[in-house]
Amino acid sequence: EIVLTQSPATLSLSPGERATLSCRASQSISNYLAWYQQKPGQAPRLLIYDASKRATGIPARFSGSGSGTDFTLTISSLEPEDFAVYYCQQRSYWPPMYTFGQGTKLEIK
Amino acid sequence: QLQLQESGPGLVKPSETMTLTCTVSDGSISSNSYYWGWIRQPPGKGLEWIGNIYYTGSIYFNPSLKSRVTISVDTSQNHFSLKLNSVTAADTAVYYCVRGNLLAPGAIASGIYFEDWGQGTLVAVSS
Repeated sequence: EIVLTQSPATLSLSPGERATLSCRASQSISNYLAWYQQKPGQAPRLLIYDASKRATGIPARFSGSGSGTDFTLTISSLEPEDFAVYYCQQRSYWPPMYTFGQGTKLEIK
Repeated sequence: QLQLQESGPGLVKPSETMTLTCTVSDGSISSNSYYWGWIRQPPGKGLEWIGNIYYTGSIYFNPSLKSRVTISVDTSQNHFSLKLNSVTAADTAVYYCVRGNLLAPGAIASGIYFEDWGQGTLVAVSS
């Protein structure tokens, strides 16, 4: 089973600052990685797929990069509504097995 | 716009079977472009994939839950269901139904991500 490890567990920043979140896979997953945002009491929302493609309606301040085992989600300039928990997710090829990272909580400093 | 709505009991007793239904609105569950699944989240914890079902009826499960899980589709009602038997307190979670895009129409088991989510329903296991 491929394990995704996210860091840091908690990131404290102020609005307007740049956020960099990391996700590391225990083995290469090419670019098949997604990022989700979850706000309290809400379902997760797909932000990024295929490591770097923004999902429909996602603002340009969100960007993803990486391939193989190391991936990054960057929020260029934090807006108040960006403070949330972020999860990365991958799928193993066969049999299909979907796993998530443990999450990074982005909190207001 | 597609809507997914989970429904089911909020409280289940230990050792019993939990059944949840996801009703799909403004989208056909018979489409060969999508797959349907369940993901859960224990209170204060992360996300765990439970399983997916495809328009052909093919199903793939998380191996850790496979022996206790059934997923089925009712195309006449445009909904799909999750049954989890022999529940324990460890099964207490918010359960989400999800939809994902297949990489190509008809390409069973090709989906990678979860594009659409229901609002989730909390199921507590307690006597």
